[in-house]
Amino acid sequence: SQTIHQWPATLVQPVGSPLSLECTVEGTSNPNLYWYRQAAGRGLQLLFYSVGIGQISSEVPQNLSASRPQDRQFILSSKKLLLSDSGFYLCAWSTDKFWGNTEAFFGQGTRLTVV
Amino acid sequence: AQSVSQHNHHVILSEAASLELGCNYSYGGTVNLFWYVQYPGQHLQLLLKYFSGDPLVKGIKGFEAEFIKSKFSFNLRKPSVQWSDTAEYFCAGWAFGRSSASKIIFGSGTRLSIRP
Repeated sequence: SQTIHQWPATLVQPVGSPLSLECTVEGTSNPNLYWYRQAAGRGLQLLFYSVGIGQISSEVPQNLSASRPQDRQFILSSKKLLLSDSGFYLCAWSTDKFWGNTEAFFGQGTRLTVV
Repeated sequence: AQSVSQHNHHVILSEAASLELGCNYSYGGTVNLFWYVQYPGQHLQLLLKYFSGDPLVKGIKGFEAEFIKSKFSFNLRKPSVQWSDTAEYFCAGWAFGRSSASKIIFGSGTRLSIRP
């Protein structure tokens, strides 16, 4: 069966420090991978998605970047965190890339607090 | 769906009351829609999904949703809520790219609070 791992679960970082959140998927190959951010009162905002190694689509301009160095690994990064980067970050995967015939499966999330 | 919207931000009900949470989508060709739930301290779980066929979709825990194409709606319903239904509910759908891969987009979520 497929599983998704996301770490760390919680993170407190000072303003201006770098960030690296990692997500890995097991039990499937060539998945679509997603990073979402859940901010209070704003629902789930899609930040990045990837259909394959090295292929990243950015949804909103921001202080964050994403990379996919391996098929089942998705990394969210920042060189210098801002207070506004605080939030709950969720990694997700799905098998379908174009036709929308599957749902997305979510990791446990990372609660990031920038102080 | 190219966009998904939820207009109820916070709903408060008493136990045994009936529930209906609104979800509207903007048309983008094929319509594939979902409802997810996030219980306090837990990860997002799929409640139900609509891909095609019967517009009335049954999900887990007694939830159902009806796809009404003429109204661009996919409202979530439950005849009698329980205190354990307290959670945040998200409507979602596939947004299809014309020359790129597709992606799943979410509404802003509805917080449901049930009074015991």
